[in-house]
Amino acid sequence: AQSVTQLDSQVPVFEEAPVELRCNYSSSVSVYLFWYVQYPNQGLQLLLKYLSGSTLVESINGFEAEFNKSQTSFHLRKPSVHISDTAEYFCAVTGPYNTNAGKSTFGDGTTLTVKP
Amino acid sequence: ETGVTQTPRHLVMGMTNKKSLKCEQHLGHNAMYWYKQSAKKPLELMFVYSLEERVENNSVPSRFSPECPNSSHLFLHLHTLQPEDSALYLCASSQELDGYEQYFGPGTRLTVT
Repeated sequence: AQSVTQLDSQVPVFEEAPVELRCNYSSSVSVYLFWYVQYPNQGLQLLLKYLSGSTLVESINGFEAEFNKSQTSFHLRKPSVHISDTAEYFCAVTGPYNTNAGKSTFGDGTTLTVKP
Repeated sequence: ETGVTQTPRHLVMGMTNKKSLKCEQHLGHNAMYWYKQSAKKPLELMFVYSLEERVENNSVPSRFSPECPNSSHLFLHLHTLQPEDSALYLCASSQELDGYEQYFGPGTRLTVT
């Protein structure tokens, strides 16, 4: 079985401040890790993913996440946030098909609110 | 159209009505999914299809009935719903089941009165 815990349900932060959204996972097999973002009245969009290789992955809009196998974490960071980053962020884990039917498990989400 | 589309975007239905939600993906993917997103609750996976075959049915009540006529289309047929079924229903697709990211549609906001 696999599970995802997003440690903060709400994160308020001022514009241009750094932010970290925390995600821990548990799984008995190797996993693939994802961060998705959901803007109001929209579906989820992939922000970044870790499949293998370099443990630090980056998105095109300045977010990055680091896979830490020993701490089973995949925290999302941005050094300077904008008002437009206000959204719901979801961490997700997927195991190989032969162990979990390729099913993704999502965290409960973290609401990031960027204030001027 | 590109990506994943869903229709209708909003739906209000009575408990005795029958309606259907439609999802179409224009990405050439082989796997499709239905999720339920309720306020204050985690995203719930409802159904998974791979190459038009259902591979996952997550203990969903029989008042929800999925249909996947081909790899590009997915339907969710609804009948005799309850008010607690009011939620955002999201469709997603992925290239394959194994380890690929999912592409989501904008969702159908369903209200059961």
